[in-house]
Amino acid sequence: AQSVTQLDSQVPVFEEAPVELRCNYSSSVSVYLFWYVQYPNQGLQLLLKYLSGSTLVESINGFEAEFNKSQTSFHLRKPSVHISDTAEYFCAVQPGGSYIPTFGRGTSLIVHP
Amino acid sequence: NAGVTQTPKFRILKIGQSMTLQCTQDMNHNYMYWYRQDPGMGLKLIYYSVGAGITDKGEVPNGYNVSRSTTEDFPLRLELAAPSQTSVYFCASRSAPSVYEQYFGPGTRLTVT
Repeated sequence: AQSVTQLDSQVPVFEEAPVELRCNYSSSVSVYLFWYVQYPNQGLQLLLKYLSGSTLVESINGFEAEFNKSQTSFHLRKPSVHISDTAEYFCAVQPGGSYIPTFGRGTSLIVHP
Repeated sequence: NAGVTQTPKFRILKIGQSMTLQCTQDMNHNYMYWYRQDPGMGLKLIYYSVGAGITDKGEVPNGYNVSRSTTEDFPLRLELAAPSQTSVYFCASRSAPSVYEQYFGPGTRLTVT
């Protein structure tokens, strides 16, 4: 079985500052990795994913995440956050060939003006 | 496309009552999922389906039932509501084995008192 640990439940940051949301996973098989974002009172939306190839993946709104196999991590970063990035962020892992992802507990990113 | 729709958005139930949470997707996706989200706990899988007529239990199925008579619909039934079922419920869908992204509905906030 696989598991996902999001090391921070809440990350407060000032606008235009950089941010890193941490995600570590454990699995005995190869996995696919995802970050989802949930804005207040909405469902989750896919932010970015790693399936194969380049270990650095980017989203259209400036976030990036790097797959580190040796450290079993998939941390999410943004060099300069906006107020509109305030949301809950979920890391998820899914073994290849499985129907079912495992979600982390979520990290609340709070961006202050 | 409406994507994944869920009804109702909010509901208050008394202990012992029953209800059905509706979920419909118009993307012709084969895979559908029901999750519950509790504060600080991430998403827990209740049931999932890989196609019409096929359903299977997830991590927390007790107290719930599902059916999948059509590709579009995947209702979740609560037979005897309990306070422990107070949660936000999300339905999600996914198109194919090689496509891992899930599309989420807006959620149903259920309170059992």
